[in-house]
Amino acid sequence: AQSVTQLGSHVSVSEGALVLLRCNYSSSVPPYLFWYVQYPNQGLQLLLKYTSAATLVKGINGFEAEFKKSETSFHLTKPSAHMSDAAEYFCAVSLNNAGNMLTFGGGTRLMVKP
Amino acid sequence: DAGVIQSPRHEVTEMGQEVTLRCKPISGHDYLFWYRQTMMRGLELLIYFNNNVPIDDSGMPEDRFSAKMPNASFSTLKIQPSEPRDSAVYFCASRPPGTLMTEAFFGQGTRLTVV
Repeated sequence: AQSVTQLGSHVSVSEGALVLLRCNYSSSVPPYLFWYVQYPNQGLQLLLKYTSAATLVKGINGFEAEFKKSETSFHLTKPSAHMSDAAEYFCAVSLNNAGNMLTFGGGTRLMVKP
Repeated sequence: DAGVIQSPRHEVTEMGQEVTLRCKPISGHDYLFWYRQTMMRGLELLIYFNNNVPIDDSGMPEDRFSAKMPNASFSTLKIQPSEPRDSAVYFCASRPPGTLMTEAFFGQGTRLTVV
């Protein structure tokens, strides 16, 4: 079965500091991986996705994520946090199985301090 | 395209009443998903459809919940009777046909409060 684990349900950083949100997956085959962001009272929107074309994926708003097969990880980073980055972030995985659904992690709420 | 459209955005109802949530997926998308989001359980997949056919409803919590997709452009999630513990934000998402590398597109959600 596929699963996604996000370490840390809450992460707090200062404005201008590095953002690191962790995501690990469990799969015996290379998965397709996604990061979504949810702003308050909004739906989820795609930040970026890994589709095996490149291990370092760049997304919107200055975010990027690196796929590391050896660590079964797909951590999300941003060099310098902005106040507007405060939101909840979800990692999701999609596997080549009979069902075509995304499985989401528990989410990480990012808080940015001034 | 207007994206995935959900209605209503907010619903407040009394315990025991029937609640119907509506979703219009993006045109051309053949997968439709219903999710529920709560503080306690996070984002849960309730049910999903492919070409209007329910594929996996194992996430539907109880028989009080039912979902239909009568055509490619409309789906409903019904709760009858509703209970306070059903209070949550319900999201609909759609996904285009093709490979598993395509992402799902989410609606703005319906915030349900059962009092």
